[in-house]
Amino acid sequence: GAGVSQSPSNKVTEKGKDVELRCDPISGHTALYWYRQSLGQGLEFLIYFQGNSAPDKSGLPSDRFSAERTGGSVSTLTIQRTQQEDSAVYLCASSPGRGGGADTQYFGPGTRLTVL
Amino acid sequence: SQQGEEDPQALSIQEGENATMNCSYKTSINNLQWYRQNSGRGLVHLILIRSNEREKHSGRLRVTLDTSKKSSSLLITASRAADTASYFCAGRSSGNTPLVFGKGTRLSVIA
Repeated sequence: GAGVSQSPSNKVTEKGKDVELRCDPISGHTALYWYRQSLGQGLEFLIYFQGNSAPDKSGLPSDRFSAERTGGSVSTLTIQRTQQEDSAVYLCASSPGRGGGADTQYFGPGTRLTVL
Repeated sequence: SQQGEEDPQALSIQEGENATMNCSYKTSINNLQWYRQNSGRGLVHLILIRSNEREKHSGRLRVTLDTSKKSSSLLITASRAADTASYFCAGRSSGNTPLVFGKGTRLSVIA
C-alpha cells in the first residue's frame, strides 16, 4: 500500500513569509509525528498527534510553529514569518498507534525548506 | 533533548568488513530502535529491541542492548556499498510517545 507522503518535496521561500507543509500518513495510522532535521544533524521532535489531538507539542521551537490534523488523517505544519534558521528538512512519520510502545514509525520522504 | 548519542559520528570501511555502531541513551526506555537514512531524506526502520531483550538478529544486522549501561550496538556483517547511509538509534519511553533520536553515524562502505 501507499506509504507516508509529504508535499511539497522542496520549498524555497523568502524570510518573513508563511509556509504550509503537508503530510499524508498511511491509511489507518492513528499516530502522526513531525520532526525537523538540520543539515548533518539528528532528528528534532516537533509535535505528535494521536488522532486529531496533540498530546505533546513540547518540541515546537516557537509560537511561529503550529500544526493541525483533521479527520485523523492529513496533517499540516505551518511556519509563520519564516526565519533563515527554519531551513531544514521537515519529516513526518506515522504509526498504527496500537500502544505498547512497539510501533514502528514509517517516515515520509520529507520536505526540504529553504528560507532565503 | 536527544535521547541517543551514536558513536562514532562517521565510519569508513571496505566492502566485506563488519561495521559496528554504538548508541548511548540517557533515560529509561521501553524499546530502542535503529533506523537508516539515505541522502538526508526519509528514514527506514531496521530493527527494534525491547528493554527486556539483550540481543536480536535480522539478516546481516545484529543489535545488542545493555540497559544497565544504557547502551546499544548495531553490527552490520559483510558490509556492502549499498549499506552506505546514516544510521540512527532512537529510544521510546512508553506508549506512542515520540522516538527521540541521536545525531547518527555516517557509514561509508567503499567498494
